[in-house]
Amino acid sequence: EPEVTQTPSHQVTQMGQEVILRCVPISNHLYFYWYRQILGQKVEFLVSFYNNEISEKSEIFDDQFSVERPDGSNFTLKIRSTKLEDSAMYFCASSVRGDHNSPLHFGNGTRLTVT
Amino acid sequence: TQLLEQSPQFLSIQEGENLTVYCNSSSVFSSLQWYRQEPGEGPVLLVTVVTGGEVKKLKRLTFQFGDARKDSSLHITAAQPGDTGLYLCAGADSGAGSYQLTFGKGTKLSVIP
Repeated sequence: EPEVTQTPSHQVTQMGQEVILRCVPISNHLYFYWYRQILGQKVEFLVSFYNNEISEKSEIFDDQFSVERPDGSNFTLKIRSTKLEDSAMYFCASSVRGDHNSPLHFGNGTRLTVT
Repeated sequence: TQLLEQSPQFLSIQEGENLTVYCNSSSVFSSLQWYRQEPGEGPVLLVTVVTGGEVKKLKRLTFQFGDARKDSSLHITAAQPGDTGLYLCAGADSGAGSYQLTFGKGTKLSVIP
């Protein structure tokens, strides 16, 4: 069964550095998402992306975050100047359609540790 | 801000027992989704309930959506060790061309052989 793949599985970075988290969504999916989960807390929506532009974003998704689909297969999340509080598990997800009956398929996440 | 409260937060039961976990909100959602998450992995969708009062069954798991579409329950019959995991509910909000999920904190279930 096709799946969403994320790399790296674990990224350690120093405060103030830029990181790029990579995702390969399922090939026939058109909608892409990033969620994050801080340790011990709930999974939180960051951003949704369709047709090469952001559809929706949450309050968390401020100017230090950006997303891009640089080619036909990858979907990336860039954090420009990381802060300690950015340490979290970041999940990429994709769906065929944008309506709520179209299930989200999540990747296994990238654990980001900011020191 | 929409919130989903899940209860109990932790549940430890013996194999063969039945259990129910709850997901409650003061907000109405377009749909309610239940996920299961294993350590080190992403959430995996179990079911989506859309219509108020809807009941869906997945083998020994029964999901119900409240009439007012604000709450949901998951009932497991004759729990097995393989059911151990974190169960998350998530409410879907349809936005402008896509949707976002509001997750609860989850119920961590341990089924003891």
